[in-house]
Amino acid sequence: EAGVVQSPRYKIIEKKQPVAFWCNPISGHNTLYWYRQNLGQGPELLIRYENEEAVDDSQLPKDRFSAERLKGVDSTLKIQPAELGDSAVYLCASSLERVHEQYFGPGTRLTVT
Amino acid sequence: AQSVTQLDSHVSVSEGTPVLLRCNYSSSYSPSLFWYVQHPNKGLQLLLKYTSAATLVKGINGFEAEFKKSETSFHLTKPSAHMSDAAEYFCVVSNTGFQKLVFGTGTRLLVSP
Repeated sequence: EAGVVQSPRYKIIEKKQPVAFWCNPISGHNTLYWYRQNLGQGPELLIRYENEEAVDDSQLPKDRFSAERLKGVDSTLKIQPAELGDSAVYLCASSLERVHEQYFGPGTRLTVT
Repeated sequence: AQSVTQLDSHVSVSEGTPVLLRCNYSSSYSPSLFWYVQHPNKGLQLLLKYTSAATLVKGINGFEAEFKKSETSFHLTKPSAHMSDAAEYFCVVSNTGFQKLVFGTGTRLLVSP
């Protein structure tokens, strides 16, 4: 069974540029999560989807971050414009339902220069 | 609010010796607790979880953890370290229903020959 797929794995951009991350969850998983992991820290939840609906986006900086999960499968997280402080690893996870184990992808390491 | 404190940022052991990674939690109600492991350039993997059943929880790769309510602790142990155990370990707390995972800051385990 394929795991959670994320792309790109690495991204280097200049500040004020836009960037997008893509996530393909495990087949059949209804719940999808985006986390941000700063250097030396544990991941922090940005947004949680149940099917197409964003049910918890309280930690998403909405002035520059946006996310979508069309058709309740793949998801895209976007930052526009990027700031130096956005440098981090962005992790996607999915679970069968919200009460089940979360499976994490390898992450996208973003560097903003 | 829920939180976890990982008491050591780095732990160094020799191969074949016991491993102890310490975690204290804070929760206003009965928590669910997890340990995740993160190898370089790989996704987070669930080692074990406690969900109010047996207080001694056995996980994968020989790891186990004991939930001690009186001490608000959930320490991770392994009788004999292997080189492949070298990784970052995260203690995680969640509310009932696993809607939101709150990660600790991580403990880096170093294993020397």
